[in-house]
Amino acid sequence: QKEVEQNSGPLSVPEGAIASLNCTYSDRGSQSFFWYRQYSGKSPELIMFIYSNGDKEDGRFTAQLNKASQYVSLLIRDSQPSDSATYLCAVSRLPGGFKTIFGAGTRLFVKA
Amino acid sequence: DAGVTQSPTHLIKTRGQQVTLRCSPKSGHDTVSWYQQALGQGPQFIFQYYEEEERQRGNFPDRFSGHQFPNYSSELNVNALLLGDSALYLCASSSSTGAGTEAFFGQGTRLTVV
Repeated sequence: QKEVEQNSGPLSVPEGAIASLNCTYSDRGSQSFFWYRQYSGKSPELIMFIYSNGDKEDGRFTAQLNKASQYVSLLIRDSQPSDSATYLCAVSRLPGGFKTIFGAGTRLFVKA
Repeated sequence: DAGVTQSPTHLIKTRGQQVTLRCSPKSGHDTVSWYQQALGQGPQFIFQYYEEEERQRGNFPDRFSGHQFPNYSSELNVNALLLGDSALYLCASSSSTGAGTEAFFGQGTRLTVV
């Protein structure tokens, strides 16, 4: 079992729709959860982090965490073609990015 | 405020050679982590440096070593390069204190071993 699992996609959504990206993790001791966006040929860019169960909203992005189910998700509302990228889920036992473990990423395509 | 900077951006080396990659963390950050990202994969944790010492290490051989300097900058050294070491090498910095403990990445170094 991989430590962080994501559906590789591609996930294709029309412009203006909600994109839902999911992630599961195996380490119950994980405390910090991150979503990074990575455009082709570029480095990952942090877009959301969440530490507590529940929802966290930032603009068009909402991160959801359920520690009991070991599940993290990212919702992107009003998806734009510029959102087309690979989204990486990452988890860590401690703050400070301590040995942050990444999933392989989900490719998202937003069709204009 | 400069973010995380890495050098060089691209590098071509021959199998068996040694390479040194450099990273300057974001201002205010004291912790540096190194990752290897192969094409189509997520970043794989190599090791993390804090207070000039290796704090944690991933599943990488001893050919991969590093160093952190008093100004928090860091180097990644890879000896006896293999073709399979070709990848994007990412440095991420973070703070060990305060509320902002998220990790931010540099632009990466693309290493090609031929």
